[in-house]
Amino acid sequence: QKEVEQNSGPLSVPEGAIASLNCTYSDRVSQSFFWYRQYSGKSPELIMSIYSNGDKEDGRFTAQLNKASQYVSLLIRDSQPSDSATYLCAAKRRGYQKVTFGTGTKLQVIP
Amino acid sequence: KAGVTQTPRYLIKTRGQQVTLSCSPISGHRSVSWYQQTPGQGLQFLFEYFSETQRNKGNFPGRFSGRQFSNSRSEMNVSTLELGDSALYLCASSSSGTGTGDEQYFGPGTRLTVT
Repeated sequence: QKEVEQNSGPLSVPEGAIASLNCTYSDRVSQSFFWYRQYSGKSPELIMSIYSNGDKEDGRFTAQLNKASQYVSLLIRDSQPSDSATYLCAAKRRGYQKVTFGTGTKLQVIP
Repeated sequence: KAGVTQTPRYLIKTRGQQVTLSCSPISGHRSVSWYQQTPGQGLQFLFEYFSETQRNKGNFPGRFSGRQFSNSRSEMNVSTLELGDSALYLCASSSSGTGTGDEQYFGPGTRLTVT
């Protein structure tokens, strides 16, 4: 079982729709969770971090964390073609420096 | 604040050669992590340095090594290059690496091609 699992996609959504990206993790000691966006040929860019159960909103992005279900998600409202990228979910243990990444979900926003 | 910088950005090497990649973290960041990214394997953790000490290492052969200097700049070295070492090598910096809110920020990466 992979430590951080994501559906590789592609996930296709029409422009203006809500894109929902999901991630599960296996290490119950994980405390910090991150979402990165990576455009083709570029490096990952941090877009959201979440540490507590519940929702965290930043502009069009909402991260959701459910530690009991070991589940993290990212919602992108009013999706734009410029949101088309691979989204990487990552987890980190408390007091531990290693960050474990999922393999990413490719999102395609169709104009 | 300037971001993470990596040099060189592109590199072409021949099998058997060695290569050194450099990373300068964000000012004030003391933790530097290195990752290898390939289409098939995704982001794989190589190692992490803090205050010139390697704190954690991923599952890579001993041909992969690194170091960190007193100014937090880091280098990684790959000796006896193999075709499978062709990848994007990413460096990420964070403040200390262990805090709850300690986020990693990536540099632009070094694209290594081994022929």
